[in-house]
Amino acid sequence: SQQGEEDPQALSIQEGENATMNCSYKTSINNLQWYRQNSGRGLVHLILIRSNEREKHSGRLRVTLDTSKKSSSLLITASRAADTASYFCATVHTQGAQKLVFGQGTRLTINP
Amino acid sequence: NAGVTQTPKFQVLKTGQSMTLQCAQDMNHEYMSWYRQDPGMGLRLIHYSVGAGITDQGEVPNGYNVSRSTTEDFPLRLLSAAPSQTSVYFCASRPPGQGPGELFFGEGSRLTVL
Repeated sequence: SQQGEEDPQALSIQEGENATMNCSYKTSINNLQWYRQNSGRGLVHLILIRSNEREKHSGRLRVTLDTSKKSSSLLITASRAADTASYFCATVHTQGAQKLVFGQGTRLTINP
Repeated sequence: NAGVTQTPKFQVLKTGQSMTLQCAQDMNHEYMSWYRQDPGMGLRLIHYSVGAGITDQGEVPNGYNVSRSTTEDFPLRLLSAAPSQTSVYFCASRPPGQGPGELFFGEGSRLTVL
């Protein structure tokens, strides 16, 4: 299976703190994407980073990619209660490029 | 635009019954896919389609059928439901010409098989 792993599985922090989630994968990729899922809802795309990129920013989100370690991290700065959700990394691999493979997700809770 | 619309939102079936989960998108997306989400397992790809008339299997296709007769619709059929198919099902689509990029998801269909 190409499915990646995310850690931690769950993270609870205080509002205003930064949250970091990590994702590892097994085989070479075209790109890596991060999604957010609020409870009982569909997934929403956050950011995409290509295999030749090392860092990308979008608002309070910062994504890094280390292809030599086959890993990525998502940093959410100055967290808010509304950031409470599950976050998933998803990879498009060079073999099977039509498929987006999701990790198991990190459940993030922001305490007010 | 309504985006990706899934129906029904909730369904309870008995073992052995068949049903179809409907998925429609009004964004002229060529690529459409079905995932199932189970606790602790993330999302797993069931089937996908890169355009009308073309479908292919994902990671967990057994027990499911798909067809793609139009660009807009991508129904998922459960032929003979089993308790192992109890899950939340998500349909997702992708714009044309962007390679393997962002997916747009529906709100999900929660299926319980007794």
